[in-house]
Amino acid sequence: DGGITQSPKYLFRKEGQNVTLSCEQNLNHDAMYWYRQDPGQGLRLIYYSQIVNDFQKGDIAEGYSVSREKKESFPLTVTSAQKNPTAFYLCASSPRTGGGNTIYFGEGSWLTVV
Amino acid sequence: GEDVEQSLFLSVREGDSSVINCTYTDSSSTYLYWYKQEPGAGLQLLTYIFSNMDMKQDQRLTVLLNKKDKHLSLRIADTQTGDSAIYFCAERVPGGFKTIFGAGTRLFVKA
Repeated sequence: DGGITQSPKYLFRKEGQNVTLSCEQNLNHDAMYWYRQDPGQGLRLIYYSQIVNDFQKGDIAEGYSVSREKKESFPLTVTSAQKNPTAFYLCASSPRTGGGNTIYFGEGSWLTVV
Repeated sequence: GEDVEQSLFLSVREGDSSVINCTYTDSSSTYLYWYKQEPGAGLQLLTYIFSNMDMKQDQRLTVLLNKKDKHLSLRIADTQTGDSAIYFCAERVPGGFKTIFGAGTRLFVKA
């Protein structure tokens, strides 16, 4: 079945560590996104990529990094520079054209700092 | 700037209709969306409406768009306990890849 797979579902990070969240899609979508969700708040855009080997900062990119070496994959690294990383992270993708560029989401990854 | 606002909570009785409201600021938005999020899960696309439409109906869901007032609503008929979730309104900003999401409305359905 086509979809977006995020892993791991739950991740614990110690202070000062970098961690990487995986996102893979088999929808043949060109664009991919990372959002952060905090309780009682909407989704905030961290990074997005419209095409392989290209990505742009979103509204809250500080302390995060991404890569887009393959069309199917868009991993997010939460670095030690991110001071408040505990949150729910959502990966998403959309077609480059057609369908209003509707965004489809993965099931999310919980990151907790311990 | 771009913004999407929703009320945070709505409580209804099972079998009643639910109406979730949303206002947005960008009058040039091309598509407006409703997503549903169940606890601990990602967002599921429920429906969307193109900006040249006033209404769209899909089974128990009815979307109404008032472009003049920049107001979008989602009506769920015969609300069930399984409809309990957070509902997000979102607008697609034209000319790019940006979609703006509201903070979400948490729907409680009482049996």
